[in-house]
Amino acid sequence: AQSVAQPEDQVNVAEGNPLTVKCTYSVSGNPYLFWYVQYPNRGLQFLLKYITGDNLVKGSYGFEAEFNKSQTSFHLKKPSALVSDSALYFCAVRDPTNAGKSTFGDGTTLTVKP
Amino acid sequence: EAEVAQSPRYKITEKSQAVAFWCDPISGHATLYWYRQILGQGPELLVQFQDESVVDDSQLPKDRFSAERLKGVDSTLKIQPAELGDSAMYLCASSSQSQNTEAFFGQGTRLTVV
Repeated sequence: AQSVAQPEDQVNVAEGNPLTVKCTYSVSGNPYLFWYVQYPNRGLQFLLKYITGDNLVKGSYGFEAEFNKSQTSFHLKKPSALVSDSALYFCAVRDPTNAGKSTFGDGTTLTVKP
Repeated sequence: EAEVAQSPRYKITEKSQAVAFWCDPISGHATLYWYRQILGQGPELLVQFQDESVVDDSQLPKDRFSAERLKGVDSTLKIQPAELGDSAMYLCASSSQSQNTEAFFGQGTRLTVV
């Protein structure tokens, strides 16, 4: 069975500092990996994805993520955090051999303090 | 910009009553998902449609939940009878037919069962 782990419920960083939100996954085949962001009482918004190719992918709002196959990780990063980045972040894995079913992590709350 | 539309935004119902949610995906999106999100957790897939066909409903409590997408466009999720434990956010999402594309989420329906 496929699964996603986000080991940190909460990440706190100061504005201007780099941020990392961690994600590890388990899937039988080659994974498709996604990051989404959720603001209060809203649906999820897509940030970026890894399908194939370059292990470093860039997405919306200056976010990027690095796919590491040996460590089965897909950590979300940003060089300089903004207060407006404060939100709930979800990592998701999709197994293309399993009817494209997506599994989400339980989320990490990012708080950026001025 | 095209959006996934959901209604209602909020619903309060008494236990044992019936409740229904509606979703209109982005035009042209063949895949439609219904997720349930309990506070503090990631979205859990309830049912996935490809056009009008159910691709995955393994996590749908079929004794009380039903979903349909009769013409392969909009969809309805029904709960009858509602239970206290059904209180959650119900999210609808859609994506194009390709499995490497991201999902677009609606704003969700917040259900409270009293």
